[in-house]
Amino acid sequence: DQQVKQNSPSLSVQEGRISILNCDYTNSMFDYFLWYKKYPAEGPTFLISISSIKDKNEDGRFTVFLNKSAKHLSLHIVPSQPGDSAVYFCAASVTDKLIFGTGTRLQVFP
Amino acid sequence: EAQVTQNPRYLITVTGKKLTVTCSQNMNHEYMSWYRQDPGLGLRQIYYSMNVEVTDKGDVPEGYKVSRKEKRNFPLILESPSPNQTSLYFCASSFSEGHGYTFGSGTRLTVV
Repeated sequence: DQQVKQNSPSLSVQEGRISILNCDYTNSMFDYFLWYKKYPAEGPTFLISISSIKDKNEDGRFTVFLNKSAKHLSLHIVPSQPGDSAVYFCAASVTDKLIFGTGTRLQVFP
Repeated sequence: EAQVTQNPRYLITVTGKKLTVTCSQNMNHEYMSWYRQDPGLGLRQIYYSMNVEVTDKGDVPEGYKVSRKEKRNFPLILESPSPNQTSLYFCASSFSEGHGYTFGSGTRLTVV
């Protein structure tokens, strides 16, 4: 039973445009949501998080939106850069456990 | 430099031969966790620890053991490895729930 789902395995975006990565969850008890970025041969790197009591959090080019009624969160990257090409994982936490989605591979082309 | 260090980076072993993957963090984090990454399955939590001597099972704990005798170390033990434990393993630590985990560089384990 996949509690955190990323239904798009890949996304291709032109440099300078917006990248939107999506994530759905099923457990209404999740209290934090996080996004991680992963390059090959490296561990995931924390990008941005949002508490379940908020609906938006922004950090530079990265903004995370949370829609609790739809159990959906998204990561917006504006503007997208070639260095953003990586696998992005969303994750959700509940009672000290952190549950990850299966990841979306983002490719930003010139 | 703040980091999570896990060793070894690569390991090939035979079925049934006990092994330990070490993990150490220098950030005085209370939370530590082990994950495995498999194609199409993302990152799945094996075990986690909220503090010294406090550990709990994640989603896929079968075949693994952990211990947290010191705050900085959180080794992963495979008493009798099997081929289905061939995977990429990550150790991670965090200041608290909701804060981002800092991940190690990974250990690629192959069990033949």
